[in-house]
Amino acid sequence: QPVLTQPPSVSGAPGQRVTISCTGSSSNIGAGYDVNWYQQLPGTAPKLLISGNSNRPSGVPDRFSGSKSGTSASLAITGLQAEDEADYYCQSYDSSLSGYVFGTGTRVTVL
Amino acid sequence: QVHLQESGPGLVKPSETLSLMCTVSGGSISGFYWSWIRQPPGKGLEWIGYIFYSGSTDLNPSLKSRVTMSVDTSKNQFSLKLNSVTAADTAVYYCVRVFRGHFDYWGQGALVTVSS
Repeated sequence: QPVLTQPPSVSGAPGQRVTISCTGSSSNIGAGYDVNWYQQLPGTAPKLLISGNSNRPSGVPDRFSGSKSGTSASLAITGLQAEDEADYYCQSYDSSLSGYVFGTGTRVTVL
Repeated sequence: QVHLQESGPGLVKPSETLSLMCTVSGGSISGFYWSWIRQPPGKGLEWIGYIFYSGSTDLNPSLKSRVTMSVDTSKNQFSLKLNSVTAADTAVYYCVRVFRGHFDYWGQGALVTVSS
């Protein structure tokens, strides 16, 4: 039973805006724990994209933005580029499981 | 820039123990939490646990009975042992730094295959 649920895939044309949802529950996102997002390019390790719900680490383009509300969070990519084709994962902490949890992952395809 | 590098056998026999080492460079292991995360081929990410530089640990309850973590601050290394492995433990294993609840620096990953 996944703890954080994401859509398996999203797609968009270059230049468009896409959003990825991350749905949790009252024991993780809804309990106030931060949501973080990671980008995993093919064949590489995940890379931190958004921390603390909406903070971009140095070097991450401002095309990427994060938000959180209630028991869910979202990652938005505006001005979609070919290089954004990757898998994206949300991550938080779950008090019932007493540990860090990841979302099911979303593959972004640029049409 | 902090750099992490996993090392260890790429093939482990069923029922034996998987052992991996992570060497940290470009920064001190002291003062931070360090984690192991794994990813089965074609699947998502699973947090295995973390170890503080002092040696205290917090482990994923689903793996806790089979996992041991240790740290050597003098060598800037930390390690993972997973015993009684099965094919389901075949995965890329990442060593990662934990900072304020997120994972900010990742190793390149080490593929460990469980097979006879």
